[in-house]
Amino acid sequence: SAVISQKPSRDICQRGTSLTIQCQVDSQVTMMFWYRQQPGQSLTLIATANQGSEATYESGFVIDKFPISRPNLTFSTLTVSNMSPEDSSIYLCSVSNRSSVGEQYFGPGTRLTVT
Amino acid sequence: AQSVTQPDIHITVSEGASLELRCNYSYGATPYLFWYVQSPGQGLQLLLKYFSGDTLVQGIKGFEAEFKRSQSSFNLRKPSVHWSDAAEYFCAASSGNKLTFGGGTRVLVKP
Repeated sequence: SAVISQKPSRDICQRGTSLTIQCQVDSQVTMMFWYRQQPGQSLTLIATANQGSEATYESGFVIDKFPISRPNLTFSTLTVSNMSPEDSSIYLCSVSNRSSVGEQYFGPGTRLTVT
Repeated sequence: AQSVTQPDIHITVSEGASLELRCNYSYGATPYLFWYVQSPGQGLQLLLKYFSGDTLVQGIKGFEAEFKRSQSSFNLRKPSVHWSDAAEYFCAASSGNKLTFGGGTRVLVKP
């Protein structure tokens, strides 16, 4: 499976600021996804990052709050904008080359704390 | 609506004992099924997957899972747990390119 890295691994940010998280894969992948894992919770899909076009957001997530870029088949960024303490979570990217069956592989995550 | 349920939030097991984690799904048709493990401070690692065929699937780290269509279940098992198996385990299902996760089961291993 692909090797996936995320930067930063963790950060502490002040409310009202923005943070951009990077996801890098060591090989080209068909699909990339961004998830949020709130403290003690399961994973919730934020959006599917589409190469060369706008991301597809899930219900409850909007582009103004979570802008996503995917300039090529190995890289994507997620920005958490105008942060509040409620945004404190682990953010994970995942990748898939078998999109039809949902098989995904995950990065190590970015632990974000907003004060 | 499609959903995945893990009835047990926490499970404590003694090292060397067997482990079984429950997972039930609610989908219109049989979904593709997965088990992931998340060790403290880590991302998710895919343990095993079921697409079709043999209902008993083998995964990494000595884990296996059994698909039971009649019970809409995909339970994860390990015959003898090691202290390193202490982690959070997530069952997930998909009918396409989107994964739906269960709430997770946290496994504690007693010496």
